Amino acid sequence: DIQMTQSPSTLSASVGDRVTITCRASQSISSWLAWYQQTPGKAPKLLIYKASSLEGGVPSRFSGSGSGTEFTLTISSLQPDDFATYYCQQYNSYPLTFGGGTKIKIK
Amino acid sequence: QVQLVESGGGVVQPGRSLRLSCAASGFTFRSYGIHWVRQAPGKGLEWVAVISYDGSTKYYADSVKGRFTISRDNSKNTLYLQMNSLRAEDTAVYYCANDYYESSAYHSPFDYWGQGTLVTVSS
Repeated sequence: DIQMTQSPSTLSASVGDRVTITCRASQSISSWLAWYQQTPGKAPKLLIYKASSLEGGVPSRFSGSGSGTEFTLTISSLQPDDFATYYCQQYNSYPLTFGGGTKIKIK
Repeated sequence: QVQLVESGGGVVQPGRSLRLSCAASGFTFRSYGIHWVRQAPGKGLEWVAVISYDGSTKYYADSVKGRFTISRDNSKNTLYLQMNSLRAEDTAVYYCANDYYESSAYHSPFDYWGQGTLVTVSS
């Protein structure tokens, strides 16, 4: 099984900050990586797929990069709606696996 | 608009069974693979199972293999998860989510998600 490791697990930031979350795969997954945002009590929402493709309707301050085993999600200027938990997910092979999540808190 | 609505959750004793349903609307259900993903209280996301658009291909997480069965009825636009021999560690919110791409059992992220249904396994 492919293990996905996200860091940090928690991040404190302020509105306007640039934020970067890292996701590492235990083996190469090419670019088969997605990022999701989840707010409390809600289902996850797709932000980025194929490592760097922005889902329709997602603000351009979100961006993804990487390939192989190292990936990043960057929020260029944090907005109030962005305080949430973010998950990476590999869809290279079954079983599909998620990272442990990164919770962005208000500093 | 696309809607996925899960139902069937509840409180069940260890060792018993439960069947979840996911009713889909707003898209061509029969053209998309569809998954179950769960989230234990306060924990992260765990993929559970997938069924291909035509029902011919199924995969399961090791944690549920042999106990859970995924199925679909394309005539009713409905996905199911039959859960047998339930354990305390199966307690979670269960989401259904469809594939982003049509007619593909592979290399597709999750697109739309339901609101989830809570399963609590407790004596």
